[in-house]
Amino acid sequence: SQTIHQWPATLVQPVGSPLSLECTVEGTSNPNLYWYRQAAGRGLQLLFYSVGIGQISSEVPQNLSASRPQDRQFILSSKKLLLSDSGFYLCAWSVAGTGTDTQYFGPGTRLTVL
Amino acid sequence: AQSVTQLGSHVSVSEGALVLLRCNYSSSVPPYLFWYVQYPNQGLQLLLKYTSAATLVKGINGFEAEFKKSETSFHLTKPSAHMSDAAEYFCAVSVDSSYKLIFGSGTRLLVRP
Repeated sequence: SQTIHQWPATLVQPVGSPLSLECTVEGTSNPNLYWYRQAAGRGLQLLFYSVGIGQISSEVPQNLSASRPQDRQFILSSKKLLLSDSGFYLCAWSVAGTGTDTQYFGPGTRLTVL
Repeated sequence: AQSVTQLGSHVSVSEGALVLLRCNYSSSVPPYLFWYVQYPNQGLQLLLKYTSAATLVKGINGFEAEFKKSETSFHLTKPSAHMSDAAEYFCAVSVDSSYKLIFGSGTRLLVRP
């Protein structure tokens, strides 16, 4: 069966510090991968998605970036965090193909920027 | 362009009462529709999915949803609420020819004892 992992589970970082969140999927090959953010009291905002190694699509211009160095690894990064980067970050995967496939979510990372 | 509207950011029901969470969609092509549930500080879990095979879709935990094309709706129901159903629920629609889902803003379900 497929599983998705995210770490760390929680993170408290000062403004201006760098960020690296990691997501890995097990039990499948060549998945579509997604990064979402939930800010307090708001819905899900799609940040990035990837349909293959090195292929990243950005949905929202901001000071975050994403990379996919391996088939089942998706990393969210920032060089300098802003207060507005606080939120709950969710990684998801779906079977390669069209967007009609179900997305399966990881447990999330709670990021607090102080 | 596809979109999803969830009516009511908060819904409160008594334990044992009917749960009805509303979702309306907009899509120029036959949509794939989803309901997800999110418990506090957790990821989203798929409740059910509509893929045009049957208009009444049964999901986990006793939930079901009915696709009504004429009303462009995909409302989520459960006959009898349980305290453990308290969570946030998201409706989503697939975006054809892409790899994305469009999510509604969510409805927080509160269950009163």
